[in-house]
Amino acid sequence: DTGVSQNPRHKITKRGQNVTFRCDPISEHNRLYWYRQTLGQGPEFLTYFQNEAQLEKSRLLSDRFSAERPKGSFSTLEIQRTEQGDSAMYLCASSLSSSYNSPLHFGNGTRLTVT
Amino acid sequence: LAKTTQPISMDSYEGQEVNITCSHNNIATNDYITWYQQFPSQGPRFIIQGYKTKVTNEVASLFIPADRKSSTLSLPRVSLSDTAVYYCLVGDINDYKLSFGAGTTVTVRA
Repeated sequence: DTGVSQNPRHKITKRGQNVTFRCDPISEHNRLYWYRQTLGQGPEFLTYFQNEAQLEKSRLLSDRFSAERPKGSFSTLEIQRTEQGDSAMYLCASSLSSSYNSPLHFGNGTRLTVT
Repeated sequence: LAKTTQPISMDSYEGQEVNITCSHNNIATNDYITWYQQFPSQGPRFIIQGYKTKVTNEVASLFIPADRKSSTLSLPRVSLSDTAVYYCLVGDINDYKLSFGAGTTVTVRA
């Protein structure tokens, strides 16, 4: 178990640019989640994958945001035409669907700063 | 989704026991109670999970009364490294939209 890996750890971009983050979940986990966290707040749900299928998207995920999980392995989160309000920590988590309540395993996030 | 209420902050000293109570009056039959810990610039880390009565692991204990409308996370003999934000979550295995809330900031002083 190498844990959930997120890259890059930090990203600074100028307003209007596109950015892409990557998440590598724990290998046997079939569920993958993206959350966003701003200073002083808890993580907010963005989207969820069961294997390669994206099953739910939060209202927080505007049209500028897109997430993929090809082949049910790693996932990418892309933000187009970034805005200063997109500055936040983007967290990825994975879990294993089973008959019991499998907890979420989080990566250490990608901190995005939009200038 | 069951809504949770927990204190915004708690202060303690090294070696003391810290108890954080979370209220979840609308908990459903299939809901579990899960606690996470988060340090600055890191993702949340699973601490403990329970359904009823008491659960204990090497890190903490979780006390859940019979009505399950609240739960208490107990951290024995805290150290400075236990300073973190603690989140109480309530949901079942199909709750992929788990709500974290603002959590409880626990500050441990020497």
